[in-house]
Amino acid sequence: AQSVAQPEDQVNVAEGNPLTVKCTYSVSGNPYLFWYVQYPNRGLQFLLKYITGDNLVKGSYGFEAEFNKSQTSFHLKKPSALVSDSALYFCAVRDMRNTGKLIFGQGTTLQVKP
Amino acid sequence: EPEVTQTPSHQVTQMGQEVILRCVPISNHLYFYWYRQILGQKVEFLVSFYNNEISEKSEIFDDQFSVERPDGSNFTLKIRSTKLEDSAMYFCARGQGHGYTFGSGTRLTVV
Repeated sequence: AQSVAQPEDQVNVAEGNPLTVKCTYSVSGNPYLFWYVQYPNRGLQFLLKYITGDNLVKGSYGFEAEFNKSQTSFHLKKPSALVSDSALYFCAVRDMRNTGKLIFGQGTTLQVKP
Repeated sequence: EPEVTQTPSHQVTQMGQEVILRCVPISNHLYFYWYRQILGQKVEFLVSFYNNEISEKSEIFDDQFSVERPDGSNFTLKIRSTKLEDSAMYFCARGQGHGYTFGSGTRLTVV
C-alpha cells in the first residue's frame, strides 16, 4: 500500500536555528512528493514538490526538501527558522495507481521559539 | 490559473440536517477532489471527480455523501444527514499536471 509517514508529531526549534521536518514514503514506482503548510484555521498552502530531476528541491518561504531514494525520505528543511514558520506541515505523495489523489502524512507541528 | 474558492467558509448545522459545500471554479479537463480534516489531524481523501463522474472514493465516502456539478461551474459535496463526527474542515482541490491547488476550506460544525 502507498503511504506517507511523518514520525514526529511536533518539532521544536529556536529562531535562527536550522529546522528539519521528517517524511518517509512507501510507493510503487517513482514518487511524486509534496509538502504543504497549514496555519491555524487556514487552508493548505503548497510549499514545494519533487517530480523528477535534482534531489534538492527549493520552494516557498526559504524551504527546501531533499529527496533520498535509497532511504525513501523527503525531509523538509530550512537553514534558519523564523517564529512565523510555526505551523502544521504535511508531507504527501501522489497515488500513481488510481486518480492521482494525494495521500497525506499525519502532519508535524513546527514550533519556533524566539 | 484560477483559484479554487469554497463557500461557505464556516457552517454550523444541527445533527441530521443536510449540508451542501460548494467549490468553484471547475473545468472539464481537470480532476477535482474532496478531502476532510478532523480538527488538527490528518487530511483524508474522500472522493475524486472527473468529467462529471466519481472516479474514486474512499471508505469514508459512504451513502450519506454525494458530489455533483449542479450548474456546470459549482462542484458540490452534499452530506445528507449530518452526524457529530462529520465536524471537520472540508477541502476541495483541483489537480492538473503535476500540481494541486486547494481551496481555503469549509469548517463544518455539527451540533
